[in-house]
Amino acid sequence: AQTVTQSQPEMSVQEAETVTLSCTYDTSESNYYLFWYKQPPSRQMILVIRQEAYKQQNATENRFSVNFQKAAKSFSLKISDSQLGDTAMYFCAFMKQGGSEKLVFGKGMKLTVNP
Amino acid sequence: NAGVTQTPKFQVLKTGQSMTLQCAQDMNHNSMYWYRQDPGMGLRLIYYSASEGTTDKGEVPNGYNVSRLNKREFSLRLESAAPSQTSVYFCASSERVAGTETQYFGPGTRLLVL
Repeated sequence: AQTVTQSQPEMSVQEAETVTLSCTYDTSESNYYLFWYKQPPSRQMILVIRQEAYKQQNATENRFSVNFQKAAKSFSLKISDSQLGDTAMYFCAFMKQGGSEKLVFGKGMKLTVNP
Repeated sequence: NAGVTQTPKFQVLKTGQSMTLQCAQDMNHNSMYWYRQDPGMGLRLIYYSASEGTTDKGEVPNGYNVSRLNKREFSLRLESAAPSQTSVYFCASSERVAGTETQYFGPGTRLLVL
């Protein structure tokens, strides 16, 4: 079975600064996908970024980028130029390729961006 | 295009009561999912449906039943609610985008069982 671990329960950062959220996972699968979801106070789950394990290039979406280290089973999220609207819970998630597309989530971490 | 919608937004039940949580998507997705979110636990999969007419158990299916009524709708039923089922419930549907299966979530239903 796959597990996803987010070891930092909470972080804070000043507006406009850069912050990195860590995530590690455990799997015996070779082909899989990794995701970061954001959950603001509204509780809506919003996809931030996704990474295919077979791709060596790290995914980037505007201010959000990942550092994917397949051998180390590490998948960290970097947020550049942090904004107040980035304040939210962030969840790392794993999906086995070719399974039933089931997501396995970490427990999440709370990010607060201070003015 | 409303995406994934869920009703109700909030519900209070007494122990032993039954209710059905409704979910619908208008994105023509084949796969749909029900998750529950508890404090400090992340989201856990209750049931999923890979296509119309099929359903399978997830990580925490006990106490729940599901129905995939058609391609659009996937309902979750609590036959006899228990306080341990107090949680926030999320429905999701998924599509393949650029070779990656990606899930999109509804706004959630907050359920309180007294």
